[in-house]
Amino acid sequence: RKEVEQDPGPFNVPEGATVAFNCTYSNSASQSFFWYRQDCRKEPKLLMSVYSSGNEDGRFTAQLNRASQYISLLIRDSKLSDSATYLCVVNSGGYQKVTFGTGTKLQVIP
Amino acid sequence: DVKVTQSSRYLVKRTGEKVFLECVQDMDHENMFWYRQDPGLGLRLIYFSYDVKMKEKGDIPEGYSVSREKKERFSLILESASTNQTSMYLCASSLTTQGTVSDTQYFGPGTRLTVL
Repeated sequence: RKEVEQDPGPFNVPEGATVAFNCTYSNSASQSFFWYRQDCRKEPKLLMSVYSSGNEDGRFTAQLNRASQYISLLIRDSKLSDSATYLCVVNSGGYQKVTFGTGTKLQVIP
Repeated sequence: DVKVTQSSRYLVKRTGEKVFLECVQDMDHENMFWYRQDPGLGLRLIYFSYDVKMKEKGDIPEGYSVSREKKERFSLILESASTNQTSMYLCASSLTTQGTVSDTQYFGPGTRLTVL
């Protein structure tokens, strides 16, 4: 089993839709979790951290389920500019234990 | 804003050549990383450095070496380039505050290397 797994997609959704991605991780000792966004032919950039209690940033909501070992990202009212690949990132202890998922591609269509 | 720059956006080299990829960050970050990104495999850590002259192997160090002579600069070296090293190479940096490494990594724009 991969350390971090994501559905590669693509998820094709109309503008205004709500879309959710999940990411599962295998190491139960994992300590911190993040979502990064990567636009086509660009570098990854931090979108948001994922806290145990769940957190929200505008239209984006991140949640952590430690019992089932997954994190999720919910995007409400999708915009065309949300089209990108979303990378799940898990830190299992120290900077050498940061594992990136392969990403989920989102395409928001007019 | 943190700025991480990489010496080239695109590079074409021949098999057996020695290749240098340079990365510079301007935010006085202690930690620097080199990844490669391939379709279906995601980002894989090659090497990282948590201080000047310090280096640690990541998940796939074979065929690569690194150099960190100055805090702001981290170089990736392909001693003898091979076709399977054709990839996107991404450099990143992060801060250490009060002895704790920040999880947030700031990436450079990447170098797309093609080895013929």
